[in-house]
Amino acid sequence: DVKVTQSSRYLVKRTGEKVFLECVQDMDHENMFWYRQDPGLGLRLIYFSYDVKMKEKGDIPEGYSVSREKKERFSLILESASTNQTSMYLCASSWGASGNTIYFGEGSWLTVV
Amino acid sequence: QKEVEQDPGPLSVPEGAIVSLNCTYSNSAFQYFMWYRQYSRKGPELLMYTYSSGNKEDGRFTAQVDKSSKYISLFIRDSQPSDSATYLCAMSPPNDYKLSFGAGTTVTVRA
Repeated sequence: DVKVTQSSRYLVKRTGEKVFLECVQDMDHENMFWYRQDPGLGLRLIYFSYDVKMKEKGDIPEGYSVSREKKERFSLILESASTNQTSMYLCASSWGASGNTIYFGEGSWLTVV
Repeated sequence: QKEVEQDPGPLSVPEGAIVSLNCTYSNSAFQYFMWYRQYSRKGPELLMYTYSSGNKEDGRFTAQVDKSSKYISLFIRDSQPSDSATYLCAMSPPNDYKLSFGAGTTVTVRA
């Protein structure tokens, strides 16, 4: 079974803090994604990566950055957390080209106070 | 206008009823269509996957794609309380590994 692991399930951070969300996948997938999910807005793509050290902006990259130093690991960074970044963050991965299934992690619930 | 529209519900049905969920989309290039199920405070998990038009059945679940109408459906027969979840439709065109998601429909099956 594919496993996408998000190390932090629940976090509470203060406004202005730097926040790291870590994600690891164990299936040697080329593609990795970070989404945020908010009620009524569905899943919105923040960033994705199709190879090590490669990244592309998704639909809502402002206020976020990412790092992919190893194939299995994709990190989301909030440089200076704000209350409007309170959300559920989902990491996902997929193999190769288009049409392949995207597998999700369990999600990280971030509250910024 | 959103690329993928999905009625958010919520939908409440008695156990044993047929649940009907649907999404409409505007991008005629979409070729891959998926339904994900998401339990409360969990990540989405793939439920059904369909390529292009047609029907696909898996146990109590049937997925339909009508590309001419840009409309996809998911039917759940003999619904169970364990089917209570949010259902997300997702789709992508060829040569693009990103998915476009609907907002999700929350379903409750009452025992």
